[in-house]
Amino acid sequence: EAQVTQNPRYLITVTGKKLTVTCSQNMNHEYMSWYRQDPGLGLRQIYYSMNVEVTDKGDVPEGYKVSRKEKRNFPLILESPSPNQTSLYFCASSFGGGDQPQHFGDGTRLSIL
Amino acid sequence: DAKTTQPTSMDCAEGRAANLPCNHSTISGNEYVYWYRQIHSQGPQYIIHGLKNNETNEMASLIITEDRKSSTLILPHATLRDTAVYYCIVRVSLYGSSNTGKLIFGQGTTLQVKP
Repeated sequence: EAQVTQNPRYLITVTGKKLTVTCSQNMNHEYMSWYRQDPGLGLRQIYYSMNVEVTDKGDVPEGYKVSRKEKRNFPLILESPSPNQTSLYFCASSFGGGDQPQHFGDGTRLSIL
Repeated sequence: DAKTTQPTSMDCAEGRAANLPCNHSTISGNEYVYWYRQIHSQGPQYIIHGLKNNETNEMASLIITEDRKSSTLILPHATLRDTAVYYCIVRVSLYGSSNTGKLIFGQGTTLQVKP
């Protein structure tokens, strides 16, 4: 089954403790992206990647890192999480080029205490 | 900023067609119209997209006006499981100049399907 898989689905952690949210897709998509969703603010893009080893900042990249060493994986790294990163996170992927739709994972709910 | 305008909420009777309007009066010639929906806090689900012509798939139909300034998403036989927030998004092709590929989700339309 074609899917975008995020792990963990839920995480409660403390300020400053490094964490990684994994994202994996099995559709051979070139493009991958991370969004966060907050009440009243909608979904905002954090980082995106056009292909392996090609990443760039979205609208709200502060406090996050990403890597794209393999086509299928696009982990989101919070080196020193803070409470303002408490949010619902979504990973998305699509084929590159043209009008290909993005497919989203089920989300990761992070709570930073 | 979202380039689309949608009603905040709509109701639909189960089994009837749900017609969700969207205004995108500033749409450019190379921008596509996409529809997604989000059920509770699940990941947004792609429904359908189009450029100029009307489109239909197993989930829905998309009607785009001739001037492309508005569109309507049609769910032909709404069920309770179609209750969700529906987002209309306009976006250029992914590899347009300075394109991050991001989707700009506005406030969407909350569709309530009632028994």
